[in-house]
Amino acid sequence: AQTVTQSQPEMSVQEAETVTLSCTYDTSENNYYLFWYKQPPSRQMILVIRQEAYKQQNATENRFSVNFQKAAKSFSLKISDSQLGDTAMYFCAFMKHADSSYKLIFGSGTRLLVRP
Amino acid sequence: DTGVSQDPRHKITKRGQNVTFRCDPISEHNRLYWYRQTLGQGPEFLTYFQNEAQLEKSRLLSDRFSAERPKGSFSTLEIQRTEQGDSAMYLCASSMGGAQNEQFFGPGTRLTVL
Repeated sequence: AQTVTQSQPEMSVQEAETVTLSCTYDTSENNYYLFWYKQPPSRQMILVIRQEAYKQQNATENRFSVNFQKAAKSFSLKISDSQLGDTAMYFCAFMKHADSSYKLIFGSGTRLLVRP
Repeated sequence: DTGVSQDPRHKITKRGQNVTFRCDPISEHNRLYWYRQTLGQGPEFLTYFQNEAQLEKSRLLSDRFSAERPKGSFSTLEIQRTEQGDSAMYLCASSMGGAQNEQFFGPGTRLTVL
């Protein structure tokens, strides 16, 4: 069974600084997707960034980038130039490509606070 | 389209009562998912539909839980004989077919069982 581990329950960063959130996962699959989702306080979850395991190049979306280390089964999220609106819970998630349901398996989340 | 909607947003019930939640997905999405999120945890998969067919159920989904998606549009999740352990946020998500397609989440229904 696949598992996703986020070892940082809470993180704090100064506005405009850079922060990295950690995620590790365990799988015997070769083809899969990894995601970072953001859940702002009392608001719905939205996708931040996605990485296909077969792609060696790390995904980037504006201020958000990932460091995908397939051999180490590590998938960290870097947020550059942190903004107050980045304050949220961040969830790392795994999807097995061979799973026809395409269900997401989530970690326990990291609460990020951006300080003014 | 305004995204995935869920109703009600909050539900307080007494132990032993039945509750039903509704999810309206994005209209062209053929896949619909239910997840449960307890405090301090990430969402856990409960079940999913492709069109009107319920194709997978988690072992988390006891026989007190039932979900439907008549005509492949909205979905309902019913919990019978609620227990305090059912208290959680119930999230609905929808997507087009294909792993590469994003799951869009609704705002959730927060259930409190007294």
